[in-house]
Amino acid sequence: NAGVTQTPKFRVLKTGQSMTLLCAQDMNHEYMYWYRQDPGMGLRLIHYSVGEGTTAKGEVPDGYNVSRLKKQNFLLGLESAAPSQTSVYFCASSYSPLQRLAGGQYNEQFFGPGTRLTVL
Amino acid sequence: DAKTTQPTSMDCAEGRAANLPCNHSTISGNEYVYWYRQIHSQGPQYIIHGLKNNETNEMASLIITEDRKSSTLILPHATLRDTAVYYCIVRVWSSNTGKLIFGQGTTLQVKP
Repeated sequence: NAGVTQTPKFRVLKTGQSMTLLCAQDMNHEYMYWYRQDPGMGLRLIHYSVGEGTTAKGEVPDGYNVSRLKKQNFLLGLESAAPSQTSVYFCASSYSPLQRLAGGQYNEQFFGPGTRLTVL
Repeated sequence: DAKTTQPTSMDCAEGRAANLPCNHSTISGNEYVYWYRQIHSQGPQYIIHGLKNNETNEMASLIITEDRKSSTLILPHATLRDTAVYYCIVRVWSSNTGKLIFGQGTTLQVKP
């Protein structure tokens, strides 16, 4: 049981380049999230998904796109990277309320190890 | 979701109890108090949560005041590995999005 994994761990981009960050979870969680964390700040929600095929905007969605084609994967895309997107990106997942009611699990979020992205 | 207020930083001696306060004076009746922590450069980790009764698990205890306007996370015997940023978050348990709103948190420094 690997939990939440993120690929890659580090990446350096030039302004204007594109890339995709991959998040994978093996806990059968319905909900998945992408956060970014800038130095000295708390995490801010970029996008989230409450199920396969669904996505929604968080607090800071501009400049990012996401897709949830498979339940276990949540992809975060940067179409044209900017220096302001230099950050640490964290993915998280959790059970839905229905899953919790069925199984009694707590609604805690499980986080991945993060991806450090630098845009030059 | 209700807003929380936490001290920016705290120190604690190794082996002593660390008491981290959180103010959530606008909390609603159906909102729970959650605590997460983030050890340097790692993803946040869930610690504990509660509604109105005090809660304890293998990691910590959570004391919620009777009026629910504030709470305290207690690490009974702090170790150097407990040095981290601790986030207090309030949210409804049955949230249909599961979103967490992170503030600045409290940086706890455990000293030898």
